[in-house]
Amino acid sequence: DGGITQSPKYLFRKEGQNVTLSCEQNLNHDAMYWYRQDPGQGLRLIYYSQIVNDFQKGDIAEGYSVSREKKESFPLTVTSAQKNPTAFYLCASSMTGGRREKLFFGSGTQLSVL
Amino acid sequence: SQQGEEDPQALSIQEGENATMNCSYKTSINNLQWYRQNSGRGLVHLILIRSNEREKHSGRLRVTLDTSKKSSSLLITASRAADTASYFCATGQIQGAQKLVFGQGTRLTINP
Repeated sequence: DGGITQSPKYLFRKEGQNVTLSCEQNLNHDAMYWYRQDPGQGLRLIYYSQIVNDFQKGDIAEGYSVSREKKESFPLTVTSAQKNPTAFYLCASSMTGGRREKLFFGSGTQLSVL
Repeated sequence: SQQGEEDPQALSIQEGENATMNCSYKTSINNLQWYRQNSGRGLVHLILIRSNEREKHSGRLRVTLDTSKKSSSLLITASRAADTASYFCATGQIQGAQKLVFGQGTRLTINP
């Protein structure tokens, strides 16, 4: 089955800890994205990548880091510098990253602070 | 930055009725897309309408786009309980980075 897999589904972070959210896709898409969703809100873009070994900051990149070493994978690290990390995190992909394209989403990771 | 604003924020109707949601945006766009999100899940793409199109249909969905008013509407006809979800519009902007900008969504509840 083709799609996007996010793991884990639930994640808990302790004070001062970095945590990494996994996102893998087997759709052979070039572009991948990370969004943050707060309760009752829309999606805000954290980072996106249109090609391997390249990525750009979105609207709320502070306190987050990403890597794109493989086409299939786009992990997101929530660092200790992110003071309000509790949110629902969504990974998405599209064929080439053009603005005309639709996004395919994973099922999300809920991050909470202990 | 939020581009689209959906209206209403929440909508509750009876099964079988039609549901209409609206989206307004601020800057010129290349296309507008509608997505659906079930609670605690990812988003699913429903339909895309380009800036040179005025209306588009897909099954029970009808989307209109008025670029002069910078607004779009999503109509779901003959609603079903399974249509209960949040619906988001997303705009592909002409200027700036190649990314979609999402609105805050309309929470739709279909009562059996």
